[in-house]
Amino acid sequence: DTGVSQNPRHKITKRGQNVTFRCDPISEHNRLYWYRQTLGQGPEFLTYFQNEAQLEKSRLLSDRFSAERPKGSFSTLEIQRTEQGDSAMYLCASTSTGSADQETQYFGPGTRLLVL
Amino acid sequence: AQSVTQPDIHITVSEGASLELRCNYSYGATPYLFWYVQSPGQGLQLLLKYFSGDTLVQGIKGFEAEFKRSQSSFNLRKPSVHWSDAAEYFCAVGARRYSGAGSYQLTFGKGTKLSVIP
Repeated sequence: DTGVSQNPRHKITKRGQNVTFRCDPISEHNRLYWYRQTLGQGPEFLTYFQNEAQLEKSRLLSDRFSAERPKGSFSTLEIQRTEQGDSAMYLCASTSTGSADQETQYFGPGTRLLVL
Repeated sequence: AQSVTQPDIHITVSEGASLELRCNYSYGATPYLFWYVQSPGQGLQLLLKYFSGDTLVQGIKGFEAEFKRSQSSFNLRKPSVHWSDAAEYFCAVGARRYSGAGSYQLTFGKGTKLSVIP
């Protein structure tokens, strides 16, 4: 069990560019979540996958954001036409299904995005 | 909609002193409750969780928390703080999205930053 991994760890981009982040969940975890954390705030839920199906999206996820989990394993989060307000830490978490006790969300180290 | 309030933005304690971080939640049903810790520039590490049963839960690194339904609180405590405990602490409530053993969406408080004086 190597934990949740995220790449890249840091990304600096210019306004208007597209960026893509990757999350690799804990092996055999079939549920995957994306959160966004801005400076001085707690993480906010963005979207949730069970296997390859995207089951829920937050209102925070504008049409410039798209997330995929094509084979039910890793996930990508793409932001098109980035804006300075997109600067944040993007966190990924995963869980397995089963009893409630097993449903603990384990977080990755995050990708810190800075839009200039 | 569920919400979490962490009234203290920043707390400073001396090493060896006791610690209590406050957390109040709003949720219409029995919540799942969590405390996570975040070191600068890092992701979140789970300290402890409450799903049901005993209202006093033990976590890692000597932390414990007590669920008090009547006060809608889930305060985090540690009897003796170590310098390595300096970090930001987040309380979160998990709202069930689907019936049965379905998943939940975490709603976090804004965090409490802990500083430790040697």
